[in-house]
Amino acid sequence: AQRVTQPEKLLSVFKGAPVELKCNYSYSGSPELFWYVQYSRQRLQLLLRHISRESIKGFTADLNKGETSFHLKKPFAQEEDSAMYYCALSGAGGDSSYKLIFGSGTRLLVRP
Amino acid sequence: EAQVTQNPRYLITVTGKKLTVTCSQNMNHEYMSWYRQDPGLGLRQIYYSMNVEVTDKGDVPEGYKVSRKEKRNFPLILESPSPNQTSLYFCASSFRDTEDEQYFGPGTRLTVT
Repeated sequence: AQRVTQPEKLLSVFKGAPVELKCNYSYSGSPELFWYVQYSRQRLQLLLRHISRESIKGFTADLNKGETSFHLKKPFAQEEDSAMYYCALSGAGGDSSYKLIFGSGTRLLVRP
Repeated sequence: EAQVTQNPRYLITVTGKKLTVTCSQNMNHEYMSWYRQDPGLGLRQIYYSMNVEVTDKGDVPEGYKVSRKEKRNFPLILESPSPNQTSLYFCASSFRDTEDEQYFGPGTRLTVT
């Protein structure tokens, strides 16, 4: 079954500390992985996707097919990073690229 | 401004009273979809549309209907709402499919009593 698991509902860190939001997936084909973020009073928006392999707002995520993981990392958390983060999975190509599966989300709280 | 709009933003209704939540995008996107967000469950896909007159079920379609008569609009219809459909609903659109960046609407909070 296709599934995205985010084991932590809440992650609380101090400003300047490293952050790692965990995401594991179960998918039989070739997945496309994304991180979406929802800041307070803002819309859900794309943070980054694995195929772009870029760093956005200091965040990076590496797709580990062996461990079926796509953890989101940032070396030094900032207070403005406080938000709800969702890991999402899409199939690649054909009919599998019309369904998007989200994890349950992790709330990141960065304390001063 | 390129965006996805939803109406209404808040709705309280009673069991069995038909309602429609509208969704519109001005980006000429082919793909549109509806999600519901419930505590502890994240976002779950209800229906999606690949283009005009082409729709298909997501993971939780029971109790919902959709239509795509125009490219820009993708309304969500609850013909006989029930309390278990109380949720926060999001519409999203993208250029072609779920491999593309999804643009989300602001959400519609629905309460069914």
